[in-house]
Amino acid sequence: TQLLEQSPQFLSIQEGENLTVYCNSSSVFSSLQWYRQEPGEGPVLLVTVVTGGEVKKLKRLTFQFGDARKDSSLHITAAQPGDTGLYLCAINRGGYQKVTFGTGTKLQVIP
Amino acid sequence: EAGVAQSPRYKIIEKRQSVAFWCNPISGHATLYWYQQILGQGPKLLIQFQNNGVVDDSQLPKDRFSAERLKGVDSTLKIQPAKLEDSAVYLCASSLAGADTQYFGPGTRLTVL
Repeated sequence: TQLLEQSPQFLSIQEGENLTVYCNSSSVFSSLQWYRQEPGEGPVLLVTVVTGGEVKKLKRLTFQFGDARKDSSLHITAAQPGDTGLYLCAINRGGYQKVTFGTGTKLQVIP
Repeated sequence: EAGVAQSPRYKIIEKRQSVAFWCNPISGHATLYWYQQILGQGPKLLIQFQNNGVVDDSQLPKDRFSAERLKGVDSTLKIQPAKLEDSAVYLCASSLAGADTQYFGPGTRLTVL
């Protein structure tokens, strides 16, 4: 079983629409990260959330860590074609930053 | 600041052949990671180095995969012999010791025919 499940797996929307993607687990984590990966590139860190209930904003992106620190969501307002990519959540499994990535949500924003 | 460099960017080989990938991390980054990313999935950690020592290689198929980090800087990942299921993107990442931000290279896309 996957430690981190992301949904939906795929999402294709029109430019200007809003969307939310989810990252869920049955385990509690001390922190959670969101990355975006564009085709042909490596993942790039967007944000780290560490406190239950924490909300962070990065321009049109809003990240929330669940109160119980077992889930997280990423909301994009007025999506742009530049938002297209694979969105990955990731957690640190223990010492020495042993990172585990989620299954990913592939987003396509159509102009 | 130069990012994480990887080479080659693409490699096509026949099954049972050998292949090697090279990674040069960001200068000063003590921690280096190799990930395998199968198409449409999240990256899976293969091996993690702290300087030139292995911290975690629990998911490395040691019967065919090997990795080393020369003098705690550059690293190579080798597959010998390759199988069809090894077709994937191999990502290298680095971070400062104790930091939670990893910086990824562009990856090497391996196709095994």
